[in-house]
Amino acid sequence: DGGITQSPKYLFRKEGQNVTLSCEQNLNHDAMYWYRQDPGQGLRLIYYSQIVNDFQKGDIAEGYSVSREKKESFPLTVTSAQKNPTAFYLCASSWWNNEQFFGPGTRLTVL
Amino acid sequence: RKEVEQDPGPFNVPEGATVAFNCTYSNSASQSFFWYRQDCRKEPKLLMSVYSSGNEDGRFTAQLNRASQYISLLIRDSKLSDSATYLCVVKGAGGYQKVTFGTGTKLQVIP
Repeated sequence: DGGITQSPKYLFRKEGQNVTLSCEQNLNHDAMYWYRQDPGQGLRLIYYSQIVNDFQKGDIAEGYSVSREKKESFPLTVTSAQKNPTAFYLCASSWWNNEQFFGPGTRLTVL
Repeated sequence: RKEVEQDPGPFNVPEGATVAFNCTYSNSASQSFFWYRQDCRKEPKLLMSVYSSGNEDGRFTAQLNRASQYISLLIRDSKLSDSATYLCVVKGAGGYQKVTFGTGTKLQVIP
């Protein structure tokens, strides 16, 4: 089955910890994206990547880091510098500049 | 003014009713438009693209009005399974064609 997977589904983090969210796709898409969704707000772009070994900051990149070592994978690290990390994190992929397809998301809660 | 604006609703409609949502956008250079559907605590899923001439997919009709800078989604013969939040998505022009998500319109179809 082709698709996008994210893990874990739920993640709990203590303050001061870094955590890494996984995103994998087997759709052979060039581009991958990370968004954050908060209640009552639209999706906000954190980072995006057009090709392997290249990525760009989105609108709210502070406190986050990414890597794109393989076409299929685009992990997101939420660092301790992110002040309000509790949110629903969504990974998406697409052919460049075409419609995006989303993974099932990871709910991160800071304890 | 927000880049993409939607009435948050909720729209409560009986089964079988016709319901329409509008979405306005501020950037007149926007190139592509989409409607996504998001179920509670799930990822957004592409419902349909919106073409300049308008397009239909079964009970769903999408239209674009560039002069007034809005897109619309019409749902005919509403089903209980149509209950969800509908996200308007607008893609800009130029290099990285920035994608902006609306905050969504919630639809509740009542038996």
